[in-house]
Amino acid sequence: GAVVSQHPSRVICKSGTSVKIECRSLDFQATTMFWYRQFPKKSLMLMATSNEGSKATYEQGVEKDKFLINHASLTLSTLTVTSAHPEDSSFYICSAKARPSSETQYFGPGTRLLVL
Amino acid sequence: AQKITQTQPGMFVQEKEAVTLDCTYDTSDPSYGLFWYKQPSSGEMIFLIYQGSYDQQNATEGRYSLNFQKARKSANLVISASQLGDSAMYFCAMREGPQAGTALIFGKGTTLSVSS
Repeated sequence: GAVVSQHPSRVICKSGTSVKIECRSLDFQATTMFWYRQFPKKSLMLMATSNEGSKATYEQGVEKDKFLINHASLTLSTLTVTSAHPEDSSFYICSAKARPSSETQYFGPGTRLLVL
Repeated sequence: AQKITQTQPGMFVQEKEAVTLDCTYDTSDPSYGLFWYKQPSSGEMIFLIYQGSYDQQNATEGRYSLNFQKARKSANLVISASQLGDSAMYFCAMREGPQAGTALIFGKGTTLSVSS
């Protein structure tokens, strides 16, 4: 099946720094990618929809200036957590559709962010 | 109101037994899709099974089957012949609306523990 990778898998940073998380579709082109956030033992919450070549669509309550999303190519979307704070510590997961009409979303392995 | 409700925070089953994980959904859209994902402790989201709202038959994938009761708005996951490796968090999710591959709405999850 299709593979989606994320890098890094785990990151620890100091409060106030920015962290970039990459989401790559390895064997298919993804016009749309989704970014989710998951707190421990909780559900996945959609943060934003990333569309190649256009601005991301953010869910209500998600600060677009804090969570910068760039989908510069058909195989790469990046999420940058700017000026990270301890409350940003979470598990961030991306997913991608292989085709616009496809039902199947392939999830990346996730990135665990810990902000000290 | 919650769109996806999973009422079982935890379920326990012995190896080789069947187990049903409950999921009810809420939507007024006639076109929707229902998904089940497995999330082991590693964090990756593993797609298990999909059911479209217009599908006449219940979906099956190996040991997984989806008991789709449209009138009751339920989409329970049945795992037959449980294995130790089935121990994980299970999420029910819904794609709302006719556009395939839009972002998913997730339930809170059920933790399944399989014992020998």
